[in-house]
Amino acid sequence: GEDVEQSLFLSVREGDSSVINCTYTDSSSTYLYWYKQEPGAGLQLLTYIFSNMDMKQDQRLTVLLNKKDKHLSLRIADTQTGDSAIYFCAETSSSASKIIFGSGTRLSIRP
Amino acid sequence: DAGITQSPRYKITETGRQVTLMCHQTWSHSYMFWYRQDLGHGLRLIYYSAAADITDKGEVPDGYVVSRSKTENFPLTLESATRSQTSVYFCASSGPVSGRKGSYNEQFFGPGTRLTVL
Repeated sequence: GEDVEQSLFLSVREGDSSVINCTYTDSSSTYLYWYKQEPGAGLQLLTYIFSNMDMKQDQRLTVLLNKKDKHLSLRIADTQTGDSAIYFCAETSSSASKIIFGSGTRLSIRP
Repeated sequence: DAGITQSPRYKITETGRQVTLMCHQTWSHSYMFWYRQDLGHGLRLIYYSAAADITDKGEVPDGYVVSRSKTENFPLTLESATRSQTSVYFCASSGPVSGRKGSYNEQFFGPGTRLTVL
């Protein structure tokens, strides 16, 4: 079945860029998502990218998609303490309303 | 309240007791989902529902029961709680959102219920 994988932890220095990586297996993925979960809260959609795009930029966030390698990344420029959270990669195909989530990457910021 | 809500937010129960977690959404989304979140496992889908009276098993359905008599409500019942069901439970609903390049499905999550089974 479909699978989404990402590393569990990432630690970066405040002000540096953070890059969170994700791989997925479903070749029919239509939309790929990044969700953010802050402590004690549910997940909130951070950004998404359509599968026919290879890059999307939104202020400090840059999403890169390599469809051939089924690799998605999220880059956060100038990482701040408020960016500390768990980031979930997710994908869906156009034929389904189910979204498949990765296990989440916990981003911690060090001074 | 507008959006998606869960109740209770915190629950402590004992092994063997029945517990029902409530979920309510105001968007009339067709799809609703229950996940559990445990350290090291990320989000695991328990059950989902495509519409009222239509439910289906997810990845980890054992020990859980769901119903969907109304579109806006999707309760999750633990018929006989076990310690392994100690977790944070998230309800979500899914609906189309208009983007610049067409519509896409977005899942909206409730705030979660932290359940402890002693």
